[in-house]
Amino acid sequence: DSGVTQTPKHLITATGQRVTLRCSPRSGDLSVYWYQQSLDQGLQFLIQYYNGEERAKGNILERFSAQQFPDLHSELNLSSLELGDSALYFCASSVYGANTGELFFGEGSRLTVL
Amino acid sequence: DAKTTQPNSMESNEEEPVHLPCNHSTISGTDYIHWYRQLPSQGPEYVIHGLTSNVNNRMASLAIAEDRKSSTLILHRATLRDAAVYYCILRDGAGGTSYGKLTFGQGTILTVHP
Repeated sequence: DSGVTQTPKHLITATGQRVTLRCSPRSGDLSVYWYQQSLDQGLQFLIQYYNGEERAKGNILERFSAQQFPDLHSELNLSSLELGDSALYFCASSVYGANTGELFFGEGSRLTVL
Repeated sequence: DAKTTQPNSMESNEEEPVHLPCNHSTISGTDYIHWYRQLPSQGPEYVIHGLTSNVNNRMASLAIAEDRKSSTLILHRATLRDAAVYYCILRDGAGGTSYGKLTFGQGTILTVHP
């Protein structure tokens, strides 16, 4: 158990819909990262937050947005969903931006868009 | 981000040592070498990291070449539970909190035979 909690574990929805994925980081971790893993793209970095502020942005689509709340949990919002958005979405946390320390990953949220 | 090159797959027998190579010829002086692994249906898991010197922990050893252009992850006695995708990642250790993200490549799929 990494200490990072992601909900829901599984989600099935239709094209055009909007979903919200939630991540609770390990106690005391200030930094949250979101990753997308699909079969053809591997693990892709989406976005990072540190203590409520966006710190780094990767290959995140404009239809996707995220935020980190004062209690440090984070949400990833996916809208106007397309079939290609079907993937595993992982959240990770670390103590700081932690250039050298480890990231702790959750078990992921599996999104299926039909 | 500096890139790494790993073999697509490797095989091992249970209880034998495994040496997983990684080439990173464009590594910069501030890049740390990180290894993560991803077991089936789980999020990535930290294995080990180092900068210049060889490192050991309870999971594995990391041998870093003198010129730092390559490294080897060593599993001393492979078990069936070690079957996973192993990722070698360079992580910039310079700067503040905005550089904590990990950029995953395709990794090496390790198969362990009983």
